[in-house]
Amino acid sequence: GAGVSQSPSNKVTEKGKDVELRCDPISGHTALYWYRQSLGQGLEFLIYFQGNSAPDKSGLPSDRFSAERTGGSVSTLTIQRTQQEDSAVYLCASSAQGIVINYGYTFGSGTRLTVV
Amino acid sequence: KQEVTQIPAALSVPEGENLVLNCSFTDSAIYNLQWFRQDPGKGLTSLLLIQSSQREQTSGRLNASLDKSSGRSTLYIAASQPGDSATYLCAVTSGSRLTFGEGTQLTVNP
Repeated sequence: GAGVSQSPSNKVTEKGKDVELRCDPISGHTALYWYRQSLGQGLEFLIYFQGNSAPDKSGLPSDRFSAERTGGSVSTLTIQRTQQEDSAVYLCASSAQGIVINYGYTFGSGTRLTVV
Repeated sequence: KQEVTQIPAALSVPEGENLVLNCSFTDSAIYNLQWFRQDPGKGLTSLLLIQSSQREQTSGRLNASLDKSSGRSTLYIAASQPGDSATYLCAVTSGSRLTFGEGTQLTVNP
């Protein structure tokens, strides 16, 4: 597609439930990132994919968070046993990562997660 | 560890003014620097991308400069308009990670 697509755009869930957030990157973009932005806060790095591999997942806040990417395309971020502090906007970005150059990042519109 | 700082944190100007937003970073080993705009409750929109070998980029009323050796970038907005009101974020790519500043919240008053 023309841009990075994220779904759902909004999600309200009860504390303790599992949620899945989806990201469709720009076709051909090999690099994919997940970030989190809590209310009034800056952007917090979660995980980076190059193809289907995640060479940097150091930003995942706990073992309740996991992510996968299949076919070098769609990525899913899963949060198990959600807590109220997980409430935030989850942003996905993709990039056409070259060997020695990065072509900049395109962000999706985000998924606003509210845990009640 | 890369750290990005943006000054000022907030700025309010009358319509028509030219203004400068500042960004500094601690590690000069970057691939590129990107300026984004974020409207309330929205995602990020890319404004300008400057590769590490470049000094500046221009798009319409926007001009961004990069001085990699001193770890600084500026975003210049000419003839500001109320529609420019948003949070402006600076981000640098180093290694596999994009590191963001805290942003400058800009308000342009009619």
